[in-house]
Amino acid sequence: DQQVKQNSPSLSVQEGRISILNCDYTNSMFDYFLWYKKYPAEGPTFLISISSIKDKNEDGRFTVFLNKSAKHLSLHIVPSQPGDSAVYFCAASAYSGNTPLVFGKGTRLSVIA
Amino acid sequence: EADIYQTPRYLVIGTGKKITLECSQTMGHDKMYWYQQDPGMELHLIHYSYGVNSTEKGDLSSESTVSRIRTEHFPLTLESARPSHTSQYLCASSPSLGYQETQYFGPGTRLLVL
Repeated sequence: DQQVKQNSPSLSVQEGRISILNCDYTNSMFDYFLWYKKYPAEGPTFLISISSIKDKNEDGRFTVFLNKSAKHLSLHIVPSQPGDSAVYFCAASAYSGNTPLVFGKGTRLSVIA
Repeated sequence: EADIYQTPRYLVIGTGKKITLECSQTMGHDKMYWYQQDPGMELHLIHYSYGVNSTEKGDLSSESTVSRIRTEHFPLTLESARPSHTSQYLCASSPSLGYQETQYFGPGTRLLVL
């Protein structure tokens, strides 16, 4: 059973507009969440993270929102740029710290100029 | 950001050959991981290690093996490569800072088995 779900395999957004990528999780023990960005033929790059004690974390154009009651997080990119076109992975970890990160299947974002 | 290196970046090899994919990190991270990813597909954890002489299998069954003799080095070996092993292999590491770990990835090795 998938514990971290990214239900949208792909998303297209116009340059300059907002991109919103969504992620749902089922394990209530998860309390640390991360977003990674991946270009083809490269390794994923860490983007931004959020702890469960917060509901928002911002870093430049990237903001992650966490809704613990809904077990939902989202990544907002404003404004979107063509260079943001990549696959975005959501990941989560649990307090125990003895198990690796759990990744979603990814969402492919295409930013159209 | 962690410095983590993978060699080779690209490898084309014939069926039946033995190969070793190298992964090294210079940040002194205790935790290291190997993932396999087919194009456009999800990341599959195949091996991980939480320290020297410690290795575990991941979620995806793999015919590869790993070793962790030194903290900075986590090589992956395929004794007899097959076309089904064609994939991208990603190595990652993370510090042992409690449970809020951030994994840092290497550039990956693209393997093609003919």
